[in-house]
Amino acid sequence: NAGVMQNPRHLVRRRGQEARLRCSPMKGHSHVYWYRQLPEEGLKFMVYLQKENIIDESGMPKERFSAEFPKEGPSILRIQQVVRGDSAAYFCASSPAQGSYGYTFGSGTRLTVV
Amino acid sequence: DQQVKQNSPSLSVQEGRISILNCDYTNSMFDYFLWYKKYPAEGPTFLISISSIKDKNEDGRFTVFLNKSAKHLSLHIVPSQPGDSAVYFCAALYAGNMLTFGGGTRLMVKP
Repeated sequence: NAGVMQNPRHLVRRRGQEARLRCSPMKGHSHVYWYRQLPEEGLKFMVYLQKENIIDESGMPKERFSAEFPKEGPSILRIQQVVRGDSAAYFCASSPAQGSYGYTFGSGTRLTVV
Repeated sequence: DQQVKQNSPSLSVQEGRISILNCDYTNSMFDYFLWYKKYPAEGPTFLISISSIKDKNEDGRFTVFLNKSAKHLSLHIVPSQPGDSAVYFCAALYAGNMLTFGGGTRLMVKP
C-alpha cells in the first residue's frame, strides 16, 4: 500500500520555464493539500483540493501558480514562468475526508530554478 | 499573521537527557494539535497528537502537553537519542480546515 507519491523528487528549471509537480494521494484518500517550504522556513499552506474541485486556495500566489485534481490521475501543481524565488520544497499531503485529522505527507519535490 | 509559532529555531541536547520543544498558537478555534518530525530530503512524518479536550498524551518516549489557557503546547522526548535529531514541526487544525504549521525547531542530540 503505497503512501502519498510525489514526482519528480527533484526538478531543475531555468527561469521562465514551466514546472509541473505531481501528487498521487494514498489509496482511499480524496483530499489533497499542497504545502511549500522555502529554505530555512516552515511549511506554508498553498491549496486544498478534492476531486475536480478547489476548496481553498488562499495560500496560492495570485499569478503563475495553479493546481488541479482531476477525476482521474494525480493532482498537479503547475508553476508557469518560474523565477528563482520559486525554488523550494513542495509537499503534498492527503486525507480520507474533510475534517479528518489524518494527514499523510509525500516525500516532496525539490524545485530548483537556475 | 502566524497562528502557530515555534520560537526556538534550534535546540541542542545531550543524549539521554530530556528534549523539550515548545509551540504557541493564537487561534482559539484549533481543536487538534500534532507534532511532525522531518529529516532532510524527506516529507514530514506524524509523531504524536493531542485533542483540545486533553492536556497530556504519551506515546513511549514522547509526551505532548497542552495548556489551553496559555495557548501553549510542548513536546517532551525522554530519553533523547541521536536518531531523534531532526526538525520538529508543531501543527494545529480545526475540523474542515487545513493544517497550520509552526516554523519548526531543529533538534540536535549529541552522543
